[in-house]
Amino acid sequence: QKEVEQNSGPLSVPEGAIASLNCTYSDRGSQSFFWYRQYSGKSPELIMFIYSNGDKEDGRFTAQLNKASQYVSLLIRDSQPSDSATYLCAVNNNYGQNFVFGPGTRLSVLP
Amino acid sequence: EAGVAQSPRYKIIEKRQSVAFWCNPISGHATLYWYQQILGQGPKLLIQFQNNGVVDDSQLPKDRFSAERLKGVDSTLKIQPAKLEDSAVYLCASSSVAANNEQFFGPGTRLTVL
Repeated sequence: QKEVEQNSGPLSVPEGAIASLNCTYSDRGSQSFFWYRQYSGKSPELIMFIYSNGDKEDGRFTAQLNKASQYVSLLIRDSQPSDSATYLCAVNNNYGQNFVFGPGTRLSVLP
Repeated sequence: EAGVAQSPRYKIIEKRQSVAFWCNPISGHATLYWYQQILGQGPKLLIQFQNNGVVDDSQLPKDRFSAERLKGVDSTLKIQPAKLEDSAVYLCASSSVAANNEQFFGPGTRLTVL
């Protein structure tokens, strides 16, 4: 059974700080990695995806991937109260199949 | 561009009853997904369609759940008979190669089984 693990949180950070969210996965065949944000009572929405080892930056968000360690992370710089949500890590194989979500990490940004 | 549509938004049934959910994906999206999200957990993929063919249904409880996408557009997910543990939000998502296979989610159907 392919697994994706995340700390459930809650992770609390003060406004303006960097929030660091972590994810590990069990399937070495995973090729694509996604971070979704889900507000309470809403559907997930994609923040960013990463395919290659290293860092990928998009505005205040940076995804980091280390396939050797089977580890992917999301950094949120200058955290805002509006970033308070559950962050879901998801992985799939190279054919867009076997999509597996982690349980999510609840982030709380304190004003 | 219209998003993924789902209906109904809420459904309350008693155990052993049947229920069906409907999803209309974004126009032109070949891939359609059904997920089950239990409160406090991440979404669990139930079934993935590519056009009208099934790509992955390995986690679909086939003794009680069924899904179809006959014309390769909209889809229905059925539970018959329902159990208490089926209480969850059922999410439909769609994606296309042209959009980097990004999954766009519908608003979900919240099912309560009493």
